[in-house]
Parts: sequence; structure tokens; C-alpha cells
Amino acid sequence: DAKTTQPPSMDCAEGRAANLPCNHSTISGNEYVYWYRQIHSQGPQYIIHGLKNNETNEMASLIITEDRKSSTLILPHATLRDTAVYYCIVSLIYNQGGKLIFGQGTELSVKP
Amino acid sequence: DTGVSQDPRHKITKRGQNVTFRCDPISEHNRLYWYRQTLGQGPEFLTYFQNEAQLEKSRLLSDRFSAERPKGSFSTLEIQRTEQGDSAMYLCASSLVPSGNEQFFGPGTRLTVL
Repeated sequence: DAKTTQPPSMDCAEGRAANLPCNHSTISGNEYVYWYRQIHSQGPQYIIHGLKNNETNEMASLIITEDRKSSTLILPHATLRDTAVYYCIVSLIYNQGGKLIFGQGTELSVKP
Repeated sequence: DTGVSQDPRHKITKRGQNVTFRCDPISEHNRLYWYRQTLGQGPEFLTYFQNEAQLEKSRLLSDRFSAERPKGSFSTLEIQRTEQGDSAMYLCASSLVPSGNEQFFGPGTRLTVL
């Protein structure tokens, strides 16, 4: 079973920041937080991952709480092309398997 | 295009038939994963390879399913005696360890069992 809890759906206005929350209260010390998204009829796409510290790349920012029990993915300026299902995943580092256990995800709709 | 490719993209078969799917990972990627996704659900892990070695299989992978990666490059997933419940999208992903943690997914093979 997935170790994360996400809201099933969210809306965001185009050009505004999209903040997607995720709860992972049972995360262990050697587990990373990964975010992937899946645009309709395509394979999932990697967005970002982190262990303890906040992370930023060209796609998004990841904010992880100090106790690591929750995180937020931030898309700073959402566009219509960001409409997708976003998955928050807790996974062991690659040298302990690295398989991804997907939950139901959050369906983000970016509206004009 | 140097991404993960999968063939075929769509497959329609009759119950009881055998089907085989192929996945070509990103060149030099040593990890290869198979997932299955049914409508409205997130992908489910099936199995993964490190080079040619199959290191883990999910309990979802019944005896009718077999996966190979004979030379550590492309991989095949075979389903024998297909059932209607096998209808799903079959996704392949690859990664390069230890330098990268992210998995790159292919477009998937959509299987419909009539």
C-alpha cells in the first residue's frame, strides 16, 4: 500500500503558484520523497525528490517539514500544460530497490 | 529520440492467447522496471532488473507472467493465457544507478483482452 495521502483533486488558476500537499507520517529515515506527474495517456514523468532539505529544480520546488511527516510540491507559475495527476511517493534509495509505490495522486486542473 | 520506448503501443488479444511486450530503456541505463496501470489507478510495481538480473518480483506477477532482460539492455514481458483482468497499461521505466535516482518512463503498452 502507498505510504502517502494526497487530496484527490485541486484547481489552480493559470499563472498562479500551485501548492500540492502530501502526508507521509510513517516515513522512515532512509526513505526519500519523490514527486512524479502523469499527463493523460502518457507515462509518468519525474519532477523532483528530496530526503530532508528543501529542493528546487527547473520544474518545481519541494518543501519537506522538519519532522519529514509531510511535504509540499510547488509549481511556481502553473500553465495549462501542468494539468496532470501528481503522485507523491515515498521510496527507498536505489541501492535498497528503488521501486515506486504509487497512490491515487492529486488531479491538478489548471484553469485559464 | 533517446527516451524509453515500448512496443507495441496497443495490443488487442483474445482471452487465452499469449502476448509479449518489449521495452528498450535509455542507453546505458542499468535498472529496468515494469509497472501495470489500470484505469483510474496509479501504476503498480511488477518487477525490476539490475542489468540482466531480476532482483524483485511483486506478488502481482502471477505464474502466467514472465519477464526477461537477457543481455542487460532491452526487456520483454510475456503474459501467457491472458485473462480479461490483464487488461491494463503496461509501463516500463529505466534508471541509472548509482548516479541517478529518477526513473524515466516509456509511453506504455495498452493491452485489451476480449
